[in-house]
Amino acid sequence: DQQVKQNSPSLSVQEGRISILNCDYTNSMFDYFLWYKKYPAEGPTFLISISSIKDKNEDGRFTVFLNKSAKHLSLHIVPSQPGDSAVYFCAANGVNSGGSNYKLTFGKGTLLTVNP
Amino acid sequence: DTGVSQNPRHKITKRGQNVTFRCDPISEHNRLYWYRQTLGQGPEFLTYFQNEAQLEKSRLLSDRFSAERPKGSFSTLEIQRTEQGDSAMYLCASSRGLAGVGTTDTQYFGPGTRLTVL
Repeated sequence: DQQVKQNSPSLSVQEGRISILNCDYTNSMFDYFLWYKKYPAEGPTFLISISSIKDKNEDGRFTVFLNKSAKHLSLHIVPSQPGDSAVYFCAANGVNSGGSNYKLTFGKGTLLTVNP
Repeated sequence: DTGVSQNPRHKITKRGQNVTFRCDPISEHNRLYWYRQTLGQGPEFLTYFQNEAQLEKSRLLSDRFSAERPKGSFSTLEIQRTEQGDSAMYLCASSRGLAGVGTTDTQYFGPGTRLTVL
C-alpha cells in the first residue's frame, strides 16, 4: 500500500502565479516531511522540510504547510518561475520501532510546468 | 561541501553480467542510503549504513544485491547476474545521522547511476 500519495501527476501554472502541490500520507508514525525537486537524469534536490511539531515552514518563495489531523501537506511556490519546472516529490519518515528515523517513503511525484 | 557523488552515471550491461556502483557521501555524514527509482515511481528505499554497519535491508534487495561501506566512507552496491527488471536509476544519499524524536536528519542525494540491462 502506498503510504505517501501525490494524487496529481501533473500541474501547469503561469509564470508569476502560485503553484500548490499536494501530498497525503496514511502512516501516523511519520513525523518529518520533506519536499524534493528533480530534473530529468539528475538526483532529487532537497527543497524544504517540516517537522510534525510545526504547521508551517517558509524558505524564500517556498512554503510548506502541514495539517496533521488531515494527514495532508502542501508546498506553495510563489511567485512561480519557469526554472521551477521539474518533478516534485513529497517524502516522509518517522521514528521506527528501534527509535531511529532513517528510511524515507516517497510519493510518485508531480510534474510541475511553469509557462512563461 | 562537494555533495554526494556517484559513479558511473550510466551503465549498460547484458543480462547475467555483474555490475558495481560507487557512492561517495558528503564528508562527515555518518549515514548512507541506497534507493532505487523506476519510471513513474518515487525512489524506493533499499538499504542504509550507520558508519560501516549495514543496519537495514529492504525486501526489494534480493540475494543478488550486496552493499558495503568499508571504513564508513564510500559505499559500493553490487548486482550479480543482472536481470532486465534491475533496470532503474540507483540513487545514493547521505545524512549527518541525527537521531531521536523531534530531530531532523535531511538526506542529500547524489546524481544517480542509470542502469540499463539488455
